[in-house]
Amino acid sequence: ILNVEQSPQSLHVQEGDSTNFTCSFPSSNFYALHWYRWETAKSPEALFVMTLNGDEKKKGRISATLNTKEGYSYLYIKGSQPEDSATYLCAFIIQGAQKLVFGQGTRLTINP
Amino acid sequence: GAVVSQHPSRVICKSGTSVKIECRSLDFQATTMFWYRQFPKQSLMLMATSNEGSKATYEQGVEKDKFLINHASLTLSTLTVTSAHPEDSSFYICSAIGRQHNSPLHFGNGTRLTVT
Repeated sequence: ILNVEQSPQSLHVQEGDSTNFTCSFPSSNFYALHWYRWETAKSPEALFVMTLNGDEKKKGRISATLNTKEGYSYLYIKGSQPEDSATYLCAFIIQGAQKLVFGQGTRLTINP
Repeated sequence: GAVVSQHPSRVICKSGTSVKIECRSLDFQATTMFWYRQFPKQSLMLMATSNEGSKATYEQGVEKDKFLINHASLTLSTLTVTSAHPEDSSFYICSAIGRQHNSPLHFGNGTRLTVT
């Protein structure tokens, strides 16, 4: 059974502060790791698709790193804004399989 | 960006009836579509993977006769919940992926099903 763990489950951050959270996944047979942002009443939106160990991707104030050897990815948000409030999901794809296995998500709330 | 339309967004039905949920990729060809279910405070649980023109692959524990999936074209997949029971009440969401290697998923808005 593939286990994808995200921590923390929820997080409250003051506007302007930076924050980060973790996605842990099996380190064997890695193929790809996805990050999604899911705002209330909207559909999940893709942030990053990461495939190589040491990958670092950036989109505006959000960035992500990937360590496939130890099985974790970090998502960083710099200078949090209220519009960053959402659930952030990571999903893992094992080599040879077509499907994504999702973590439980980290629910981020930015306090103005 | 790529758009996936899921319909209906909310449905209430009586026990014993069947409900069909549609998932359409509006501006790209979805070679594969995934159907997920979300229980309260839990992650998205993959129910099945469907490839255009072939039978869906169901995850362990998902009854294929209860959750009928059809992926008749490159832009449409349907999930039919047959003989619905109150325990089928849940949030169902579809996602689609195109042909491009390592492309992200594009999600529908989800369907909130309530069975009374």
